[in-house]
Amino acid sequence: DGGITQSPKYLFRKEGQNVTLSCEQNLNHDAMYWYRQDPGQGLRLIYYSQIVNDFQKGDIAEGYSVSREKKESFPLTVTSAQKNPTAFYLCASSLEADQPQHFGDGTRLSIL
Amino acid sequence: AQSVTQLDSQVPVFEEAPVELRCNYSSSVSVYLFWYVQYPNQGLQLLLKYLSGSTLVKGINGFEAEFNKSQTSFHLRKPSVHISDTAEYFCAVINTGGFKTIFGAGTRLFVKA
Repeated sequence: DGGITQSPKYLFRKEGQNVTLSCEQNLNHDAMYWYRQDPGQGLRLIYYSQIVNDFQKGDIAEGYSVSREKKESFPLTVTSAQKNPTAFYLCASSLEADQPQHFGDGTRLSIL
Repeated sequence: AQSVTQLDSQVPVFEEAPVELRCNYSSSVSVYLFWYVQYPNQGLQLLLKYLSGSTLVKGINGFEAEFNKSQTSFHLRKPSVHISDTAEYFCAVINTGGFKTIFGAGTRLFVKA
């Protein structure tokens, strides 16, 4: 079955450490997204990519970085510059940017 | 600028009762509209979408929504809810041909026995 796989499901970060969240899709979608979800808030866009080797900052890109070297993969790195990284991170993809998005099951990141 | 407002943060309802989750949006151009559902510790799943055509849209799990352009609303309804419908529901909007989907803050539906 086609879908989006996020790993790991739970991740712990130490002070000063960079961590990378994995997102892989086999839906052959061009567009991919990273969102951050905090309790009581909607989804906030971190980065998005409409095509391989191209990506744009979303609303809260500071302290995060991404790459899109393959169509199937869109990893997110939470850097030490992100001072409040504790959140639920969701990856999504869509056939085109204005079409419905398919979501992974998320990665919950916490601070040690 | 685009925005989405979900008018209720929490909606408690008894099992088998009808429910309406309200969503208003603002945009100066034509839009596509979506409702998603999120169960605890999971990603979002698409419930239904309005792209064009009939303003009454039917989705999965017995949900439906009506696009009202004059009132810029896209309310979600179900005539009879089940315990299993307990979840968080998100309304979302994107400009036709746009790049960024805007999500509402979510409405937590709690179905009581």
